[in-house]
Amino acid sequence: GAVVSQHPSRVICKSGTSVKIECRSLDFQATTMFWYRQFPKQSLMLMATSNEGSKATYEQGVEKDKFLINHASLTLSTLTVTSAHPEDSSFYICSASIQGGFSEAFFGQGTRLTVV
Amino acid sequence: GEDVEQSLFLSVREGDSSVINCTYTDSSSTYLYWYKQEPGAGLQLLTYIFSNMDMKQDQRLTVLLNKKDKHLSLRIADTQTGDSAIYFCAEDRATDSWGKLQFGAGTQVVVTP
Repeated sequence: GAVVSQHPSRVICKSGTSVKIECRSLDFQATTMFWYRQFPKQSLMLMATSNEGSKATYEQGVEKDKFLINHASLTLSTLTVTSAHPEDSSFYICSASIQGGFSEAFFGQGTRLTVV
Repeated sequence: GEDVEQSLFLSVREGDSSVINCTYTDSSSTYLYWYKQEPGAGLQLLTYIFSNMDMKQDQRLTVLLNKKDKHLSLRIADTQTGDSAIYFCAEDRATDSWGKLQFGAGTQVVVTP
């Protein structure tokens, strides 16, 4: 099956710094990628949808200046958490799909972000 | 948006069948999914069903869909300790992009020996 690789799997950063998370489709071209956030013992909440070569579409309540998403190629999307604060600590998961017909979403393994 | 609801916890004895239930509210949903998440890990796709189907079976897994009642269930036969995890149902409404999923809160399944 299709593989989506997310990097890093774990990151600890200091409050006020920025951290970048990468999501790569390894063996297919992902026209669309999705970023989710999961709080402990809770469900996944969609943060934004990114299409290659265009601006990301953010869900209501998600700060686009805080969570910068770039989808510069068909195999890579990045999420940058800017000026991170402890409340940004969470599990971030990306998924990728191929548009133009039905496509299931293929999920990365997730990134555990801890802001200290 | 519309909610996807699941019971939060299920305890089952090893060897028994597990049934995890899910309800959704958007009748335009096209595909419905079941994912498994083990502690600290990402999501593992277990199975999915198209909304014009009533049932889908895949080895130990059986998915039942009652579109009239907007009810989805996942049955795991001969449950093993390795099945202990959180199970999420999700719907893909394909409103603008395939793969944009609305998740339930997850059902924690604990398998006891």
